[in-house]
Amino acid sequence: EAGVTQFPSHSVIEKGQTVTLRCDPISGHDNLYWYRRVMGKEIKFLLHFVKESKQDESGMPNNRFLAERTGGTYSTLKVQPAELEDSGVYFCASRGTTFETQYFGPGTRLLVL
Amino acid sequence: SQQGEEDPQALSIQEGENATMNCSYKTSINNLQWYRQNSGRGLVHLILIRSNEREKHSGRLRVTLDTSKKSSSLLITASRAADTASYFCATPPKGTSYGKLTFGQGTILTVHP
Repeated sequence: EAGVTQFPSHSVIEKGQTVTLRCDPISGHDNLYWYRRVMGKEIKFLLHFVKESKQDESGMPNNRFLAERTGGTYSTLKVQPAELEDSGVYFCASRGTTFETQYFGPGTRLLVL
Repeated sequence: SQQGEEDPQALSIQEGENATMNCSYKTSINNLQWYRQNSGRGLVHLILIRSNEREKHSGRLRVTLDTSKKSSSLLITASRAADTASYFCATPPKGTSYGKLTFGQGTILTVHP
């Protein structure tokens, strides 16, 4: 069974540009989460999808971040326009409905210059 | 104050030695999970312990949970160089077994060959 995959693995962009991160969850997992780790700080929750619906987006830092989950399958996280403080590692995780464990992808390392 | 604080922040040991990491949390929990992140890679789920469990084993890993002290420990026995990684504890929201995870800052473990 394939795990959670994320694309790209790395992205280097300039301040003001737009970046779109993609996450493909484990097949059949209705729950999809986005987290990020800014340099030197803890991993923080961004938002949670159940199928295509946003269940909890309390961790989204501001309206420059837009997450979507088309058809309840893969998800994208767009940052527009990117700021320096958006640099960090963005993780995606998925979870089956009746299971407690979240399975994480390898992350996307974003560097905003 | 944050849920899930690991101690120590960094640990350096020789191969073959045991490594113990501690995690404290603030609110009551239904479960506590430990994750590992190798350099440049994603988070790997290690073990989940529920609030009604006191100890759990998985291979060379031993996790304990003391709900009266709101703390957990992760013991890695007979450590190997490949165990070098950051280790995080994470908890779901109070009163639930699912949902967004709150992570601590992690313990950086270095195992010298």
